[in-house]
Amino acid sequence: KQEVTQIPAALSVPEGENLVLNCSFTDSAIYNLQWFRQDPGKGLTSLLLIQSSQREQTSGRLNASLDKSSGRSTLYIAASQPGDSATYLCAVHSGGGADGLTFGKGTHLIIQP
Amino acid sequence: GAVVSQHPSRVICKSGTSVKIECRSLDFQATTMFWYRQFPKQSLMLMATSNEGSKATYEQGVEKDKFLINHASLTLSTLTVTSAHPEDSSFYICSARGSGGLANPEQYFGPGTRLTVT
Repeated sequence: KQEVTQIPAALSVPEGENLVLNCSFTDSAIYNLQWFRQDPGKGLTSLLLIQSSQREQTSGRLNASLDKSSGRSTLYIAASQPGDSATYLCAVHSGGGADGLTFGKGTHLIIQP
Repeated sequence: GAVVSQHPSRVICKSGTSVKIECRSLDFQATTMFWYRQFPKQSLMLMATSNEGSKATYEQGVEKDKFLINHASLTLSTLTVTSAHPEDSSFYICSARGSGGLANPEQYFGPGTRLTVT
């Protein structure tokens, strides 16, 4: 059974810092990995999707990497802003007949003004 | 981009009653829709997967007779929580994926429905 772990569970940094969020998964047989943002009481906003054949994806100040063989992904946020404050979720789409996403518990990020 | 809506956004119901939640893809045809549940400070857990015109596939531990899923069209799926109990209180989120399978894998999420059973 696929399990997804995110470290750290919470992070508070001053505005302007670059930061890295970590995600690991136990079964490397994945189709893709997605990073989402969730604001309190809200749904999910997709940030980046990395296919299993890719090593990284970039969107603006966000860069996500994937090392499928070691079961790891990182989300790099450059020049953080208070508006980046949210919970960031990592999710994998696994093989083996499981068609939905398996989520980690998220990293609760606070960017201090 | 692809937009998914859910209705209602919040619902309060009495124990023993049934509640229906709608999930709609507004600007694309959703071949597959997913229903997730999120308890406070927990992650999203997949409840079931539904393909248009087919019966839903439920994850282990999810009662199919309690959580009725209908995916009657390519733009609408409904989740009905039957005989709701306080322990069913949760945040229910749907997602939708277009056609193309793994070639078009991205899931688009709705804004969620907060269910409170009193």
